[in-house]
Amino acid sequence: EIVMTQSPATLSVSPGERATLSCRASQSVGTNLAWYQQKPGQAPRLLIYGASTRVTGIPARFSGSGSGTEFTFTISSLQSEDFALYYCQQYNKWPPLTFGGGTKVEIK
Amino acid sequence: QMQLVESGGGLVKPGGSLRLSCAASGFTLSDYYMSWIRQAPGKGLEWVSYISKSGTTIYYADSVKGRFTISRDNAKNSLYLQMNSLRAEDTAVYYCARDTYNQFTGGSWGYMDVWGKGTTVTVSS
Repeated sequence: EIVMTQSPATLSVSPGERATLSCRASQSVGTNLAWYQQKPGQAPRLLIYGASTRVTGIPARFSGSGSGTEFTFTISSLQSEDFALYYCQQYNKWPPLTFGGGTKVEIK
Repeated sequence: QMQLVESGGGLVKPGGSLRLSCAASGFTLSDYYMSWIRQAPGKGLEWVSYISKSGTTIYYADSVKGRFTISRDNAKNSLYLQMNSLRAEDTAVYYCARDTYNQFTGGSWGYMDVWGKGTTVTVSS
């Protein structure tokens, strides 16, 4: 099973600032990595797949990069609606599909 | 508008059973591979089970294997999860989610682009 590790667990950022989240895989997943956003009481929403491809309609301030075992998710200028939980998920080798533990982006 | 709506959650005693349903609208369920994912209170996401378009390929997480059964009725545009021998650690919000189509293999990629709002399962005496 591929273990996904996200850091930090919590990220405190001021509105308008940049947020950088990390995701590490226990073995290479190529670019078969997705990022999801989850707000309290809501289902996850797919933001990025293929490590760096934004879903249609997702603002350009959201970006992803990386390959192999190291991935980065960036929000270039945080808006109020971006404060949420973010999860990475690998789909290179499954089952099982595995998610990271999540990073909470909170208001500083 | 593409939508998934789960139902069937509730409070059940340890050892009990529940059957979750997921109704699809705005798209044809038979065109897609589907998964169940759960989230325990205050915890992260855990993939539970997957079913192919025809239902011939099924996968389970080790934590539920032998206790849960995924199925689908494409004629009813519905997905199901039969949960038996429930344990306290099965307490979670259960989401059904649509997998994305892999045009290179004809299968699914493994990431989910449409999610339901979830149904809550609580296992407690």
